Amino acid sequence: GAGVSQSPSNKVTEKGKDVELRCDPISGHTALYWYRQSLGQGLEFLIYFQGNSAPDKSGLPSDRFSAERTGGSVSTLTIQRTQQEDSAVYLCASSRDRVPEGQYFGPGTRLTVT
Amino acid sequence: SQQGEEDPQALSIQEGENATMNCSYKTSINNLQWYRQNSGRGLVHLILIRSNEREKHSGRLRVTLDTSKKSSSLLITASRAADTASYFCALNTGGFKTIFGAGTRLFVKA
Repeated sequence: GAGVSQSPSNKVTEKGKDVELRCDPISGHTALYWYRQSLGQGLEFLIYFQGNSAPDKSGLPSDRFSAERTGGSVSTLTIQRTQQEDSAVYLCASSRDRVPEGQYFGPGTRLTVT
Repeated sequence: SQQGEEDPQALSIQEGENATMNCSYKTSINNLQWYRQNSGRGLVHLILIRSNEREKHSGRLRVTLDTSKKSSSLLITASRAADTASYFCALNTGGFKTIFGAGTRLFVKA
């Protein structure tokens, strides 16, 4: 079946511009996660959505970052007024409901802020 | 920090040898997971071990968990060049939030 998809795969933007990153989770997965990975580093948790519950936004690094999930499926991560330190790979993952288990990751979006 | 810490940071071995990676943590966990990442993009889930389990196997992978020492190890037996990747441990402390470590970079020489 289809896996997690993310778009765009690469994004180059100028400092100060806003960007939107999209994630399509696996159909039927109710949990959705966003992570950020800087070059050669581990994954930094940003936010996760679980069903109709309020999202856990505890990992968002600043108020320039926001995310929403429409209809319990597609999610968009928005970064306003991008800074060079925002350059990283942004990874999305999804998992099934009820029992925390392994997450299925998308290929990521490589964001470069010039 | 709730983050798991992998050891070593990097590991280089010959094809056919075994590779062992360790993960230590400080908090109580619900489960611990291991992931593989090739070429800095999407991660692949390898294996999950629950806090009441001590050992799990999957093919050439063996994972152990010692909750008294707050540590886990991932053993890859008879390594292959295709095993070259970064390996991450990830901690679930309850709910759905999962915290990833910094990873071990494994290089298997043919």
